[in-house]
This record gives sequence, C-alpha cells and structure tokens, in this order.
Amino acid sequence: GDSVTQMEGPVTLSEEAFLTINCTYTATGYPSLFWYVQYPGEGLQLLLKATKADDKGSNKGFEATYRKETTSFHLEKGSVQVSDSAVYFCALGVFGNEKLTFGTGTRLTIIP
Amino acid sequence: DAGVTQSPTHLIKTRGQQVTLRCSPKSGHDTVSWYQQALGQGPQFIFQYYEEEERQRGNFPDRFSGHQFPNYSSELNVNALWLGDSALYLCASSFLGEQFFGPGTRLTVL
Repeated sequence: GDSVTQMEGPVTLSEEAFLTINCTYTATGYPSLFWYVQYPGEGLQLLLKATKADDKGSNKGFEATYRKETTSFHLEKGSVQVSDSAVYFCALGVFGNEKLTFGTGTRLTIIP
Repeated sequence: DAGVTQSPTHLIKTRGQQVTLRCSPKSGHDTVSWYQQALGQGPQFIFQYYEEEERQRGNFPDRFSGHQFPNYSSELNVNALWLGDSALYLCASSFLGEQFFGPGTRLTVL
C-alpha cells in the first residue's frame, strides 16, 4: 500500500539556518506530493505541492522537488525564522483516490 | 468566504459513550473526508463522503460511521468509545482536488 516515511524529529535550529526535512514515499500509480504545516492548536495548512516528477513546489520560501528516481520530496528553506516553528507533514495522494496518506510529522523549533 | 468549520472544538466523553462530530465544508466543495490524528502522529484517513455516500474507507472499525447531508455538511459518529479513540479529528473538504482542512475537534475519552 501507499506509505510516507518522514525524517524523525524534533528538529531544533537557530534563526537563519538552512532547513532540510527528508521525505520518501512508496505508492502505486502516480501520486501527487504535498507538504502540510500545523501550527500549535490549529489544523493543517497546505504549504506546497507537486503533481508530477521533477515539479518543484514552493511557498513562503520553502521548496520541495518531486524526485521520482529517488521517490523523495524533501522540504528545504534557505533561512528559517522563529515563525516557522510548527509541525510539518509530508503526504501523498493518488489522482482519482482523494485519500491522503501522511507521514508521522516533524516538529521544527527555531530559536532566536 | 468561510473555510472548513468543525464543531465542537473540544469534547470529553467516557468509555462506552457515543459521540457525533460535525463539519461544514468550504463553499463550493462537495466532498468531505475525515481523519484521525493521534497525539504525535500524522493524520489517518477514516472515510470520505461524496454525494451523500461513503466513497472510500480507511482501516477503521464499524464503530466509526458517518453521514453527508444534501448541503454537503457531514457528521462523524463513533460508538462504544474507548481510550484509544482520544485524538484530534480533522475534516477536510475538496472539489476535484486539493483538500482544505478544518481546525479539528479534540476528543478526550476518559
């Protein structure tokens, strides 16, 4: 079945550091890939997505590239801010099957 | 435009009780999905409703049931609650694609 493996947390970085959160997936068919963010006490917000191989999703300085050859969708940001502190979830969805399969989440804390 | 709304925000129940959670989808959305997010875990798909019928179901027992109304709003019912049902229950709505999530209902079973 479909699955997402995500980098274990928690991750603590200093402000302006470079961020990478690893995500790999297993899927039948041709999945779309997503990163969702969950701020304390809130629901999930879509951060970025990519729908086919080699697509790059980007938003708010975050980027992730859909790598079919390595079945990966790693999240990166060049300079993190304290406001980026949250839990980040990698997810996949297969077209025609709108169910999303999530990773376990990575808690990110940015210290000033 | 209101996004996805859920009620109640928090709920406390005891083992063996039944609970109903409610979700109103984003305007224009016709599909509603429910997810269970246990503490420290990623959301797990429970089921999805479209045109008032259950279209897909995840690996959850029959104690979990749902309903979708003609206005596309939805309910999640859980019978015979047990401690392991304590979680954040998320509703997501969609129309031909991207899912938008509500803030969730925090259920605590004592």
